[in-house]
Amino acid sequence: GAGVSQSPRYKVAKRGQDVALRCDPISGHVSLFWYQQALGQGPEFLTYFQNEAQLDKSGLPSDRFFAERPEGSVSTLKIQRTQQEDSAVYLCASSLGAGYTQYFGPGTRLTVL
Amino acid sequence: AQSVTQLDSQVPVFEEAPVELRCNYSSSVSVYLFWYVQYPNQGLQLLLKYLSGSTLVKGINGFEAEFNKSQTSFHLRKPSVHISDTAEYFCAVSDKRYGNKLVFGAGTILRVKS
Repeated sequence: GAGVSQSPRYKVAKRGQDVALRCDPISGHVSLFWYQQALGQGPEFLTYFQNEAQLDKSGLPSDRFFAERPEGSVSTLKIQRTQQEDSAVYLCASSLGAGYTQYFGPGTRLTVL
Repeated sequence: AQSVTQLDSQVPVFEEAPVELRCNYSSSVSVYLFWYVQYPNQGLQLLLKYLSGSTLVKGINGFEAEFNKSQTSFHLRKPSVHISDTAEYFCAVSDKRYGNKLVFGAGTILRVKS
């Protein structure tokens, strides 16, 4: 079956612009995660959904970052008033539930000029 | 909070030689351990995982890892590497007490030379 997909794959934004990054998880996966991977570093946790409920948002770096999953499937990560330090690859992962393997999408590379 | 240390940022090795990529994690009573591989411009792919049971875990592409609780380590090994193994490898841990989020190390770039 299809894996996790993310769109767009690449996004260039001017500083101050708002961006929206989309994640389509594997069908039937109830858990969905967002991670941020800065250049040369490992991914860092941003937020976690169980179905439509956002159970953990402790990794969101500021109130400019907002994530939603209104119907428990597709998720959107929104970044308002982008800053240069937001430049990174944003990874989405999904799993069947607690304790199951997380499957990652290809990521969205965000560059803020 | 959990943390993961990958002791080598880059490991160069010749084709068909053995390799070990080192990973240490901060101690916890209830951890799951993972190794992921990332090829250029691709997402993370699971190599292997330790949840419980046997401390020697076998994964895809001939890789294996050994969970050592006393040394809080989870080193990745392969007896004979191929050019195609050139990639970045990430060790990760999740703690049942803090949900299922993964905490990753900084990564080790494996460069296989002919």
